Amino acid sequence: DGGITQSPKYLFRKEGQNVTLSCEQNLNHDAMYWYRQDPGQGLRLIYYSQIVNDFQKGDIAEGYSVSREKKESFPLTVTSAQKNPTAFYLCASSIDSPLWWPEAFFGQGTRLTVV
Amino acid sequence: KQEVTQIPAALSVPEGENLVLNCSFTDSAIYNLQWFRQDPGKGLTSLLLIQSSQREQTSGRLNASLDKSSGRSTLYIAASQPGDSATYLCAVLLNQFYFGTGTSLTVIP
Repeated sequence: DGGITQSPKYLFRKEGQNVTLSCEQNLNHDAMYWYRQDPGQGLRLIYYSQIVNDFQKGDIAEGYSVSREKKESFPLTVTSAQKNPTAFYLCASSIDSPLWWPEAFFGQGTRLTVV
Repeated sequence: KQEVTQIPAALSVPEGENLVLNCSFTDSAIYNLQWFRQDPGKGLTSLLLIQSSQREQTSGRLNASLDKSSGRSTLYIAASQPGDSATYLCAVLLNQFYFGTGTSLTVIP
């Protein structure tokens, strides 16, 4: 089945640690995105990538880093510089085409908790 | 910056009722609008996608309309069922996807 796989589902981080969230898609989509979701707030864009080896900061990129070495994969690292990392993280992908406007598809999310 | 607002924030209805969820956005130059469903602790499931040139889309008991000039979209759910209980989010596409904060729907058996 085609889709987006996020792992792990739950992740616990100690103060001062970096952690990496995985996002893999087999939809052959060019564009991939990372969002953060907090209670009572809409999804906020952390980073996005429209092509391999290229990515752009979103609205809340501070304390996060990404890489896009393969089309299928877009891992997100939450660094120790992120002061309030406890949140639900969602990965998404879409076609990047000049011919039609893309539909976004989402993974099942990773819940990160600082302990 | 695009602002997306969803009203009401929460809604509780008895089973069988027809209901309308609202989404408004400030910048009408959108490319498309998408409605999603989110169950607790889960990701987003796409329900309907309306391109900017379209006025509405239908899927089963769901109907979404789009009025770009007024910056509004509605999601109509017919004959609601307890399984429809979830949070519904709308998102608009400009240079990126912008999301509303969602409407939490509870359908009471």
